Amino acid sequence: DSGVTQTPKHLITATGQRVTLRCSPRSGDLSVYWYQQSLDQGLQFLIQYYNGEERAKGNILERFSAQQFPDLHSELNLSSLELGDSALYFCASSVSPTGRGPYEQYFGPGTRLTVT
Amino acid sequence: GQQLNQSPQSMFIQEGEDVSMNCTSSSIFNTWLWYKQDPGEGPVLLIALYKAGELTSNGRLTAQFGITRKDSFLNISASIPSDVGIYFCAGQGGGYQKVTFGTGTKLQVIP
Repeated sequence: DSGVTQTPKHLITATGQRVTLRCSPRSGDLSVYWYQQSLDQGLQFLIQYYNGEERAKGNILERFSAQQFPDLHSELNLSSLELGDSALYFCASSVSPTGRGPYEQYFGPGTRLTVT
Repeated sequence: GQQLNQSPQSMFIQEGEDVSMNCTSSSIFNTWLWYKQDPGEGPVLLIALYKAGELTSNGRLTAQFGITRKDSFLNISASIPSDVGIYFCAGQGGGYQKVTFGTGTKLQVIP
């Protein structure tokens, strides 16, 4: 158990809908990262937050947005869903970026999104 | 987005054999990480490397941070069936640069 929690574990929805994925980082971790993994594909970095602020952006579509709240949990919002958005969505967290080993990311179990 | 080149892409080995895989980048990294992912699960951190030339072991796993800082290697000795999975390398260039993940090596172990 990495200490990172994600809900829901599975989500099935229709095209055009909007969903929200939730992530709680490990206790003490200030950075949260979101990744998308399509079937048999690698991990595509979407976005990173550090202590409530957006820190880095990857290949995140305009239909997707995220935020990190004062209690450090994060939500990834996916709207106008398309069939191609079906994937595993992972959240990861890491410690504050100071000191040794700030970039070790610990992953949650993922949310499997199926768009029909 | 940028990705690291990881090889081999997949491999089938006999139980008990040793395994080697590597990761190369066109960019210099300050940190190299190796992860293992089981089907349908999140990646699990295996080894973290912070210094060029560093060699670190975790049980039957050994990883090295390449001297050029553009590559890293992971070796698994005496493979067992539970080693099956996808192994990802990841590199980070320092500061607030994002972590870049490799394309993955899919390992199958034949009992």
